Amino acid sequence: NAGVTQTPKFRILKIGQSMTLQCTQDMNHNYMYWYRQDPGMGLKLIYYSVGAGITDKGEVPNGYNVSRSTTEDFPLRLELAAPSQTSVYFCAATRGQGYNEQYFGPGTRLTVT
Amino acid sequence: AQSVTQPDIHITVSEGASLELRCNYSYGATPYLFWYVQSPGQGLQLLLKYFSGDTLVQGIKGFEAEFKRSQSSFNLRKPSVHWSDAAEYFCAVGAQGTNAGKSTFGDGTTLTVKP
Repeated sequence: NAGVTQTPKFRILKIGQSMTLQCTQDMNHNYMYWYRQDPGMGLKLIYYSVGAGITDKGEVPNGYNVSRSTTEDFPLRLELAAPSQTSVYFCAATRGQGYNEQYFGPGTRLTVT
Repeated sequence: AQSVTQPDIHITVSEGASLELRCNYSYGATPYLFWYVQSPGQGLQLLLKYFSGDTLVQGIKGFEAEFKRSQSSFNLRKPSVHWSDAAEYFCAVGAQGTNAGKSTFGDGTTLTVKP
């Protein structure tokens, strides 16, 4: 049982390039999330999904897009990368309801130069 | 809206000493509360959670936390810290109702353990 997996682990982008961060979970959880973590800060929610075909914005969605075509996959797309998007990105999944904990992937460290 | 405050950005303790990490939350109803640990280069892992019942909850790795409604706090404790406990610790609050399972995270406390 792999839980939540993310690829790649590291990536360097040039300003203006685009990329997709992959996230896959094998727990059959309906709810999935993308966070970014900046140095010395907590997690900021970028986008979330409550099931296949349903996505919604979190608190910092600008510059990102998501899709959720299957329960397992929740990719995050960066269009026109900017230095402000340099961060560590975490994907998480949960069964739902507020009392269920979230299961996190190992993260993707992205640098935009 | 819910919020979480972790007043201590960085704490240093000696190995074998006791530990308390503070967490204060803001939420109108009974909250769902979590403590997660993040080791360097890793994702977050759940230590323990509270959502009802006994206000003293036990978690993994010898950690415990106590929910105090009157103080809006959920402090994490460990009686004797091990060098392997050095990590970043996050408190989080989850809301009841149709919040899509979202949690709000504090900014974290970095724990350094001195030999």
